Amino acid sequence: DGGITQSPKYLFRKEGQNVTLSCEQNLNHDAMYWYRQDPGQGLRLIYYSQIVNDFQKGDIAEGYSVSREKKESFPLTVTSAQKNPTAFYLCASSIVAGFQYEQYFGPGTRLTVT
Amino acid sequence: GENVEQHPSTLSVQEGDSAVIKCTYSDSASNYFPWYKQELGKRPQLIIDIRSNVGEKKDQRIAVTLNKTAKHFSLHITETQPEDSAVYFCAARTGGSNYKLTFGKGTLLTVNP
Repeated sequence: DGGITQSPKYLFRKEGQNVTLSCEQNLNHDAMYWYRQDPGQGLRLIYYSQIVNDFQKGDIAEGYSVSREKKESFPLTVTSAQKNPTAFYLCASSIVAGFQYEQYFGPGTRLTVT
Repeated sequence: GENVEQHPSTLSVQEGDSAVIKCTYSDSASNYFPWYKQELGKRPQLIIDIRSNVGEKKDQRIAVTLNKTAKHFSLHITETQPEDSAVYFCAARTGGSNYKLTFGKGTLLTVNP
């Protein structure tokens, strides 16, 4: 279970507030990803980064922002522009080399906005 | 972009029976197909994967088959046990320089004792 940590496990915020979710990995992986999980919707990609100081939008990037200043860290900010932010957020990482594509997931953060 | 469809969304079997979950993908350039298991409240974990140059792969009670022509792949679990109860996700990686995965919506498997 080691390697990727997300904090906190549960997060509560009032509507209109921005909130930042933490994701740290010590696997020396180049790539990191943020997914949103809603019941019956699978894992939807929000943002991903394959190298420090670079990141790309995923399928549902609106209302979210990220930064990748360090290889180990990929924080996600849920802004007040995100219309339905309550969800389970998963961070993942993978190496970027050859044919190794496995993604390793963190334990997730459950965000509730009221 | 890639689109992955997964069926069924729920599956209930008796302990000892087999379970089959099917996925289809849209991009013929996809070359890597993992399956993840997610127990309630836990993180998804890789259970088996297959690459496009292989038709079948087995690991004890689980197997994955790939039909590139039809663009579908399936997860087979034999001799199911209650601890197999979880949500299973298939995914596909499109070829090229990016390493992102596109996931199906998941299948809730319930194994009844």
